[in-house]
Amino acid sequence: KAGVTQTPRYLIKTRGQQVTLSCSPISGHRSVSWYQQTPGQGLQFLFEYFSETQRNKGNFPGRFSGRQFSNSRSEMNVSTLELGDSALYLCASSPETGTGGLAKNIQYFGAGTRLSVL
Amino acid sequence: SQKIEQNSEALNIQEGKTATLTCNYTNYSPAYLQWYRQDPGRGPVFLLLIRENEKEKRKERLKVTFDTTLKQSLFHITASQPADSATYLCALPDQTGANNLFFGTGTRLTVIP
Repeated sequence: KAGVTQTPRYLIKTRGQQVTLSCSPISGHRSVSWYQQTPGQGLQFLFEYFSETQRNKGNFPGRFSGRQFSNSRSEMNVSTLELGDSALYLCASSPETGTGGLAKNIQYFGAGTRLSVL
Repeated sequence: SQKIEQNSEALNIQEGKTATLTCNYTNYSPAYLQWYRQDPGRGPVFLLLIRENEKEKRKERLKVTFDTTLKQSLFHITASQPADSATYLCALPDQTGANNLFFGTGTRLTVIP
């Protein structure tokens, strides 16, 4: 099976612009989560989508949003970019079920999108 | 709120030795704990999951322990190799019961030949 694919790999934007990142999960995975990773804060949860619905949300401002399509592909959008939004944005997908019931909580990550805001 | 601490930001060890990484957590009693490996410029890769009723889990040269009384997990790499050099992250399920994980900031391991 192909892994999680994120596009683009690198992005450079300026303050005030908006950006859209894309994620294709592993085939058959319906849960897609987004994380932000920075040197100071580590990996922080943004939101999770399941069957086109946002199921959970982390503690990020409303400038961060996302959506999921019927084929489970997901996008996240950041509007009015700030310098502090520079980070590696990671997408992860999870299987719905698995051995012992806990395999569904294993996250399979993409390589990420490196966003630089100037 | 839940909190995870990984004991050191960086750890250097000699090839062939055993690397031991520590993960401590507070304000929570998780049903399981996971360990991931992350290489520079890549996303984390799942290594092991250990349940609260399991004291120890092994996979090849990797061993994880889970002490729910101490609220601590130890991650061991035996006979370490330069290829084991990476950042290792421990992760807990979100205490709200949501499907996402709560990650520690990681320990960067360097195995010196």
